[in-house]
Amino acid sequence: DAGVIQSPRHEVTEMGQEVTLRCKPISGHDYLFWYRQTMMRGLELLIYFNNNVPIDDSGMPEDRFSAKMPNASFSTLKIQPSEPRDSAVYFCASSSGTTHNEQFFGPGTRLTVL
Amino acid sequence: RKEVEQDPGPFNVPEGATVAFNCTYSNSASQSFFWYRQDCRKEPKLLMSVYSSGNEDGRFTAQLNRASQYISLLIRDSKLSDSATYLCVVSYQKLVFGTGTRLLVSP
Repeated sequence: DAGVIQSPRHEVTEMGQEVTLRCKPISGHDYLFWYRQTMMRGLELLIYFNNNVPIDDSGMPEDRFSAKMPNASFSTLKIQPSEPRDSAVYFCASSSGTTHNEQFFGPGTRLTVL
Repeated sequence: RKEVEQDPGPFNVPEGATVAFNCTYSNSASQSFFWYRQDCRKEPKLLMSVYSSGNEDGRFTAQLNRASQYISLLIRDSKLSDSATYLCVVSYQKLVFGTGTRLLVSP
């Protein structure tokens, strides 16, 4: 079975550009999570969805970040405009049942903003 | 105070050694507890859940102390392949990840 799929795996962009990260959760999972990981701050939850509806976006840093989940098999995280401090690894994860269950992570997108 | 705190390490141990990590959490209403493992430049993966009665999975033993609000992970007979970062995870309304403890097992 395919796990969580993320694209692109690596993204290098210049400050001010728009960045779109994509995620396909595991089929049948009703929860989808977006995380950001840096050396300094570790793994931070940005936003999560339940049945395609955003439930908690309190971790989204600022208005430059937005996330959507138009259907059960696809989600995007957009940064516009991007800044060097956004450089990090962005993980998407999915789970089923509750937010307390095991989360399955995608391979991540390594973002570098120059 | 951070919601989940871990010693970042690194813990350098020889093969065959026993090593233990601790983690403390601040929210006494936390309901679920886990250890995740993250290899270098890879995604986190569930290692084991942690139950109040303690649980064991092969060489790995996890303990939960609700009164003192800490979780432990014990690894016996360390293997080279155990080298990784171990993330303590606590769940209240959502999962909160610690920043991880790095383990290096050397020959």
